[in-house]
Amino acid sequence: DAGITQSPRHKVTETGTPVTLRCHQTENHRYMYWYRQDPGHGLRLIHYSYGVKDTDKGEVSDGYSVSRSKTEDFLLTLESATSSQTSVYFCAISESSGGGTDTQYFGPGTRLTVL
Amino acid sequence: AQSVTQPDIHITVSEGASLELRCNYSYGATPYLFWYVQSPGQGLQLLLKYFSGDTLVQGIKGFEAEFKRSQSSFNLRKPSVHWSDAAEYFCAVGQGAQKLVFGQGTRLTINP
Repeated sequence: DAGITQSPRHKVTETGTPVTLRCHQTENHRYMYWYRQDPGHGLRLIHYSYGVKDTDKGEVSDGYSVSRSKTEDFLLTLESATSSQTSVYFCAISESSGGGTDTQYFGPGTRLTVL
Repeated sequence: AQSVTQPDIHITVSEGASLELRCNYSYGATPYLFWYVQSPGQGLQLLLKYFSGDTLVQGIKGFEAEFKRSQSSFNLRKPSVHWSDAAEYFCAVGQGAQKLVFGQGTRLTINP
């Protein structure tokens, strides 16, 4: 299994509070991703990173920000959580081979509930 | 825009029966295609992938998938399912720039 950990694994918070989720990898892979999983929607990309300090938006980036100050860590921040951000959040990593789309490896997920 | 459709939200099969999960994609170039499996409360695990070459791809746990360009499909098959195959299955297409677009998922239930 790819060395990917997510913390916390479960979190309950209140509307309007800031929340930060952490993804940590031990594989030294270049790419890191944050997805959210909701019933009927599969997984949707929030943000991704292609290197330290290099990030870009995904399909559902509104209300989220990210940071990557080290290769191994990718943080997802909800500046002011809303109930619509209740979801399961997955981190993924991949290594660029220089062509096409490489396999992504997923972490165990973080279940976030916003009351 | 690229998209992936998994027409079946939920499928129920009997243990020992054959299985086919459907996946249709929309992508202008040669697609990079993936099937992932997610057991309850777990992350996603790669079953198999297609990049090029032989259109019949073998994966882990006895699964295989066939790429059919003319039908824009990448269906997942298994000749005989086991109770442990109960899970949710996701098809995904590579969007370039190392991004994936996922289908909505198909939940598989196994009857004993």
